[in-house]
Amino acid sequence: NAGVTQTPKFRVLKTGQSMTLLCAQDMNHEYMYWYRQDPGMGLRLIHYSVGEGTTAKGEVPDGYNVSRLKKQNFLLGLESAAPSQTSVYFCASSLGTSGEQFFGPGTRLTVL
Amino acid sequence: AQSVTQLGSHVSVSEGALVLLRCNYSSSVPPYLFWYVQYPNQGLQLLLKYTSAATLVKGINGFEAEFKKSETSFHLTKPSAHMSDAAEYFCAVSDDGGYQKVTFGTGTKLQVIP
Repeated sequence: NAGVTQTPKFRVLKTGQSMTLLCAQDMNHEYMYWYRQDPGMGLRLIHYSVGEGTTAKGEVPDGYNVSRLKKQNFLLGLESAAPSQTSVYFCASSLGTSGEQFFGPGTRLTVL
Repeated sequence: AQSVTQLGSHVSVSEGALVLLRCNYSSSVPPYLFWYVQYPNQGLQLLLKYTSAATLVKGINGFEAEFKKSETSFHLTKPSAHMSDAAEYFCAVSDDGGYQKVTFGTGTKLQVIP
């Protein structure tokens, strides 16, 4: 089992460009999450999904969109990147009953 | 609303010394509590979790945490620090609001001095 995988691992964007981050999990988990991690701020929830075809806003959703067309995949999109979106992005998934979240290795995004 | 406070963004201990990382939480319902560890350039992984079965929770790598309701605390300890324990540690709380939303603390970086 690969667990939770994220692509790409690194990306540099120019302001205004768009991109999509892909998260995939092979554990048949219902719940999936996107976080951003910034120094001194811990992890902040961007969007989450409680099942295929459903998404919801988290703590810091502005500037991001998500889709969960397949149970195993959770996509995070940036339509028009801004320097404030420079961060490390983590995807996670959970079974839904244990509370334990399984994290991917992260994507380091720099917006110039 | 749930929240987590981790006291001390950086903690340094000598190798072999006691590790104590502090976490206080607030929750409107009996909480689920977690400690996660993040090694450099990696994602988070679960160290241990409290789900009301026992107040003293044992985790991986010799870590344990004690749930104290009266103090709303869930401090992480390890009797003897090892160099490999150097990492960032996150406390997290979930009130299981029906969608497993977890709130993370801001993290504590542990430095182990040889």
